[in-house]
Amino acid sequence: TQLLEQSPQFLSIQEGENLTVYCNSSSVFSSLQWYRQEPGEGPVLLVTVVTGGEVKKLKRLTFQFGDARKDSSLHITAAQPGDTGLYLCAGDLNEKLTFGTGTRLTIIP
Amino acid sequence: NAGVMQNPRHLVRRRGQEARLRCSPMKGHSHVYWYRQLPEEGLKFMVYLQKENIIDESGMPKERFSAEFPKEGPSILRIQQVVRGDSAAYFCASSPRQGALHFGNGTRLTVT
Repeated sequence: TQLLEQSPQFLSIQEGENLTVYCNSSSVFSSLQWYRQEPGEGPVLLVTVVTGGEVKKLKRLTFQFGDARKDSSLHITAAQPGDTGLYLCAGDLNEKLTFGTGTRLTIIP
Repeated sequence: NAGVMQNPRHLVRRRGQEARLRCSPMKGHSHVYWYRQLPEEGLKFMVYLQKENIIDESGMPKERFSAEFPKEGPSILRIQQVVRGDSAAYFCASSPRQGALHFGNGTRLTVT
């Protein structure tokens, strides 16, 4: 069983559209992180959320941590081709990060 | 500041050989993690080490796999008698404490 489920698994949209990807679990995390990974490289940290209900913005990206600290969402406004990549959420549980299944995002110019 | 350095970037081994993957954490980081990634999948936790100690190896197979993080030098992930199913990308990450991880660019192991 997968501790963290991400949806959708694959998403392909036109440049300029908005999108939301989700990260869900039945476990409570002390914090949750979002990473982006490009082919041939390691994941790069985008944001860490700690408090239930917390919302963080990073330019066109908005991250929200669920009130119960079990789930999170990433919303991208006016997507650009540079947003293409694999988006991974990761929950901090028992002093180690457990990664989600990933969302492969493709932005079509 | 140099990031997390992993080498080699690509490693090809025949079945039955040993694979040795190295990871130098960021300067000042005393926590090292190893993750494994198959194509189009997320990262699977293998082992968490601090200097000279294995803290959590619950994700690492009991046989053929071992990891160390000596007082001096890089962390080593060692896979003995490799099999085709060991082919994957192996990522190392470091942090100064629990929380946000800084990843290397991985070692891609191919077993032929």
